[in-house]
Amino acid sequence: QLQLQESGPGLVKPSETLSLTCTVSGGSISTTTYHWAWIRQPPGKGLQWIGSISYYGSTYYNPSLNSRVTISADTSKNLFSLRLSSVTAADTAVYYCARHIVAVSDFDHWGQGTLATVSS
Amino acid sequence: QSVLTQPPSASGTPGQRVTISCSGSSSNIGSNTVNWYQRLPGTAPKLLIFDSKQRPSGVPDRFSGSKSGSSASLAISGLQSEDEADYYCGAWDDSLHAYVFGSGTKVTVL
Repeated sequence: QLQLQESGPGLVKPSETLSLTCTVSGGSISTTTYHWAWIRQPPGKGLQWIGSISYYGSTYYNPSLNSRVTISADTSKNLFSLRLSSVTAADTAVYYCARHIVAVSDFDHWGQGTLATVSS
Repeated sequence: QSVLTQPPSASGTPGQRVTISCSGSSSNIGSNTVNWYQRLPGTAPKLLIFDSKQRPSGVPDRFSGSKSGSSASLAISGLQSEDEADYYCGAWDDSLHAYVFGSGTKVTVL
C-alpha cells in the first residue's frame, strides 16, 4: 500500500528557507503515470496547491508562489522535496505531500501532513 | 479568497441528504473535471470523488458527485455521524495554470 511521509523542521525563522522531504513507500516515484505534489493548509484557512514534479523532473508551480518554490526528486531514495525561500508568518501551515494523477488532475494519496511554523 | 466558492457550512440529521455546492468559472470547472476531498478532524484529506462523479475504491456509494457548466455538487445521502468533516472541491484552472481548491464546507451531523 502506498504511503507518503513528510519530514522536516517544525520551526523556521522569517526570511529563511523552509525545507521538507516526502518519503514514499509501497510504490516507486519513478513512474510516468503519476506526478508528486506539495499542498499546504494555513491554520483556519483552505488548501493551497504549491506545485508538482514529474518522473522526468519537470516541475510546475502555483504562480502565486513560483518565485520562492523549488521541488526536486531523488529517485534513488524514492523521495521528493520542497524548498520555500524567504518565508514569512503567512507561510505557517500544515504541509502535505501527495500523489498527483495528472490525467484526471486529482490527488489520490496524501501524507499525514507536517506543521511548519515561521517564527523568530 | 478561494477561486472556487463553497458554502462555509452544511448540516443535517442522521439519514438525511446533504448537498454541497462548488461554484467556479469557465477556466476551471467549466473546462476540467472536479474532485472532492474529505478531511476528517485531525487527519489528512482523502480523495472522495474524482473525474466529477467517480468514486475511488472503498468510498461508500452514499457519496455522489455531479457537474453542470461551471458548477459542481457533492451529495451525501443517508448522512451518518462519521460524515462530520470538512469537504473541499478542487479543479485545474487553465487561466491561472494552477490547481485550485474551494474554501471548504464543514458538515455537521445534528
